[in-house]
Amino acid sequence: DAMVIQNPRYQVTQFGKPVTLSCSQTLNHNVMYWYQQKSSQAPKLLFHYYDKDFNNEADTPDNFQSRRPNTSFCFLDIRSPGLGDAAMYLCATSRDGENEKLFFGSGTQLSVL
Amino acid sequence: GQNIDQPTEMTATEGAIVQINCTYQTSGFNGLFWYQQHAGEAPTFLSYNVLDGLEEKGRFSSFLSRSKGYSYLLLKELQMKDSASYLCAVRDSNYQLIWGAGTKLIIKP
Repeated sequence: DAMVIQNPRYQVTQFGKPVTLSCSQTLNHNVMYWYQQKSSQAPKLLFHYYDKDFNNEADTPDNFQSRRPNTSFCFLDIRSPGLGDAAMYLCATSRDGENEKLFFGSGTQLSVL
Repeated sequence: GQNIDQPTEMTATEGAIVQINCTYQTSGFNGLFWYQQHAGEAPTFLSYNVLDGLEEKGRFSSFLSRSKGYSYLLLKELQMKDSASYLCAVRDSNYQLIWGAGTKLIIKP
């Protein structure tokens, strides 16, 4: 089945220790998104790629970076995680960035110790 | 600013019907989505409305009134597995997706 896959499902890191979260998709969608979601809150868009075009949300901290080396893969790098970065990180795709629905991966729950 | 309002939590009984409301104030409108999210899991798509009226899909229906900036999700014949958060999201004039914080639905036997 075509899908969006996130690894790992749970990630524990130490305060200040860089961490990378990964996402892959077999849907061949043009757009890939990274969202941060904290408990009982709305998902917060961090970045999205339309094909190779990178779009950074204005309020995304510099501590967060992203890479999309090809259509299938996208990575979220957190350079120096703080306690406030503990959250669920959701990767999603859509065929285009307009009226298409989003397909989400299972998410990575990040804990910062 | 842009805003999506949903009740924080609702409780309903197994087998009953529940209506979850969503009101929005956004810069333009290009469609409204409902997603279901079980605890600790990713959201899954439920419905999409871009024109006024009711869209029915099995036990779930979604209604939209663009003039009122209002939508609801109607869940019939509630099952215990319907216990989840229900997220309303609107695409604005720039096709940005604005998310509500979700309504946590608790189903009791």
